[in-house]
Amino acid sequence: QLQLRESGPGLVKPSETLSLTCTVSGGSISSSGYSWGWIRQPPGKGLEWIGSFHYSGITYSNPSLKGRVTISVDAPKNQFSLKLSSVTAADTAVYYCARHGGIATRPFDYWGQGTLVTVSS
Amino acid sequence: QSVLTQPPSASGTPGQRVTISCSGSSSNIGSYSISWYQQLPGAAPKLLIYSKNQRPSGVPDRFSGSKSGTSASLAISGLQSEDGADYYCAAWDDSLNGVIFGGGTKLTVL
Repeated sequence: QLQLRESGPGLVKPSETLSLTCTVSGGSISSSGYSWGWIRQPPGKGLEWIGSFHYSGITYSNPSLKGRVTISVDAPKNQFSLKLSSVTAADTAVYYCARHGGIATRPFDYWGQGTLVTVSS
Repeated sequence: QSVLTQPPSASGTPGQRVTISCSGSSSNIGSYSISWYQQLPGAAPKLLIYSKNQRPSGVPDRFSGSKSGTSASLAISGLQSEDGADYYCAAWDDSLNGVIFGGGTKLTVL
């Protein structure tokens, strides 16, 4: 059974960089058939897609985040990471990692439990 | 502001049939399969419906999806108390070159 788990600091200061890691077990992120992504949910609000990637190097990110997003992969550790720079209070959210059930146009079929990140001084 | 439009709330009594709509455009629903997610309070979203009314293993057949042009609907028949949750539609969008989610619909079982 595929499992994803997010980890990282729960508190980040304004203007700093938010860094999260998603650890995948029960499957390989280097599998050619799947893409992987990050989604976030501000408290009491809806879901927002942040970005997705395929192990081949193809990446996509939400234009609304204005180039602040970097997604990287550590294949030997079966992990992928999110960096979001220049954070503000508006970036406070529960952050989820998830797997697309195929290429990035396919839905997210497996999700992590989510991790709350608060941006505050 | 979501590009996919959902009603913010819906309600029904146990046993009823409820539908939730999702309206989009030619660059998303009109071109790609739509998916539906259920999010129970305090939990991560769960894939409910994808492609042409496909359900992942374990999702009851009380849940069904349909699509016509640039709109889609999620139907829940035989409503149960445990169906009370937030429901989101989603699709790939060519203009965004990414995934878009609807704003979500909070379903209350009365």
